[in-house]
Order: sequence, then structure tokens, then C-alpha cells
Amino acid sequence: GAVVSQHPSRVICKSGTSVKIECRSLDFQATTMFWYRQFPKKSLMLMATSNEGSKATYEQGVEKDKFLINHASLTLSTLTVTSAHPEDSSFYICSARIIVETFYGYTFGSGTRLTVV
Amino acid sequence: QKEVEQDPGPLSVPEGAIVSLNCTYSNSAFQYFMWYRQYSRKGPELLMYTYSSGNKEDGRFTAQVDKSSKYISLFIRDSQPSDSATYLCANALSNFGNEKLTFGTGTRLTIIP
Repeated sequence: GAVVSQHPSRVICKSGTSVKIECRSLDFQATTMFWYRQFPKKSLMLMATSNEGSKATYEQGVEKDKFLINHASLTLSTLTVTSAHPEDSSFYICSARIIVETFYGYTFGSGTRLTVV
Repeated sequence: QKEVEQDPGPLSVPEGAIVSLNCTYSNSAFQYFMWYRQYSRKGPELLMYTYSSGNKEDGRFTAQVDKSSKYISLFIRDSQPSDSATYLCANALSNFGNEKLTFGTGTRLTIIP
């Protein structure tokens, strides 16, 4: 249980175009989802917290207009990279909060490898 | 200084060996400690969590926390090739609300058959 499905797993796009990444909670409702970015051999960096039915909360230094987050339902959050540039190439991962026994943990999607050419 | 420091490795050990993975942290307010395993091109999966000093065991895995020295460890006994992955430690200030996780950089581990 508690599976987060993320699509696409890999995408290559041209510079200047927009790319949408979807994250779905398959067997639970996720009122909050988190979007991370991971560079090679680097840690996961939290980009934003996505709340169902309200505006996302972005971390300092993350461009809101470039990384559009929509959380229209309890099972779907999307991240749109607008006007993508090569420096946006990275591994993007979504996450949702779950309950593991009595502990609030986080389950992650399988990630999206974005390459901007 | 990063809040969570982790040796990126890579670390290679022969199959069957005991593996020791470590993180240090600077924020004494961290209360919850987790270890995630991440296979190549996949998202992290939660391995273990703990919220107190001491040891917690789950099968071949043991998580150890020493809050006095701000040091956390993950031990893997009887290591298997399938354990080859990147291991990330993650800390949180609390277990309430939508608490942010602070991740280490991850240690890439290879178990040699």
C-alpha cells in the first residue's frame, strides 16, 4: 500500500518548451505532496510543498513562475517546468506523507529524469 | 556547515560483510531520524526510522542514534548484492504536521558478489 505513481519516468524536451510531471497517490489520499529535485551525487532538495486546493509553498530560491505546481485533487499533484532550459535538467521526485505504524513517514515516487536539450 | 553531513562514498564491500553507514548532524533540535534506500533512477524508499537515542533492529538492518554526539548509523549484516544502492539519512524536527525532511547527500554502496 501507500504507492505514489510518478509519470513520466524520463522526458527529453527542447529548450523553451514546457514539461508536466504527474504524481498520483494510488491507494490513499494525499492532502499534501512534496516536490524534490536531485542532482547527481547530491542530496534531495525540497522545492515546494503542494497542498490540495490551495497554493503551493515554495522553498527559498525556487522560482514560482518557472515551477508551477497544481494539486487539484486529493490524489493528483503536478509539476510543470515552464520554458525549460538546460540548467533545469535534473531528477525530480514527488513525495507524500504516510503513516507507518505510529510514525509519519514519507513515500516517494519513482522520479522523473528531465533532460532539456 | 550543512545540517546533515554524509560521506558520499562510493563504498564497496564483499558480499556477507557488515556495512556501516554514518551521518552527522549539526541541529540538536532534530528528533526523528530515518534511513532511505535509493536504487538507481528510482525514488527513495523508507528503510528505518527512529526517534530516540539507541538501537533499532529490523532483520539485517540496525539503526543507531547517538544524540549526544549528533551521530546516526545504519548497519547492514550479511550484506547482499541486492543491497547495492545509495543510502540516504534524513532528519526531521518533529513528527507532526507537514514536517520537512533534511537529507544527507547519500552514500553509494556496492556489494561485490
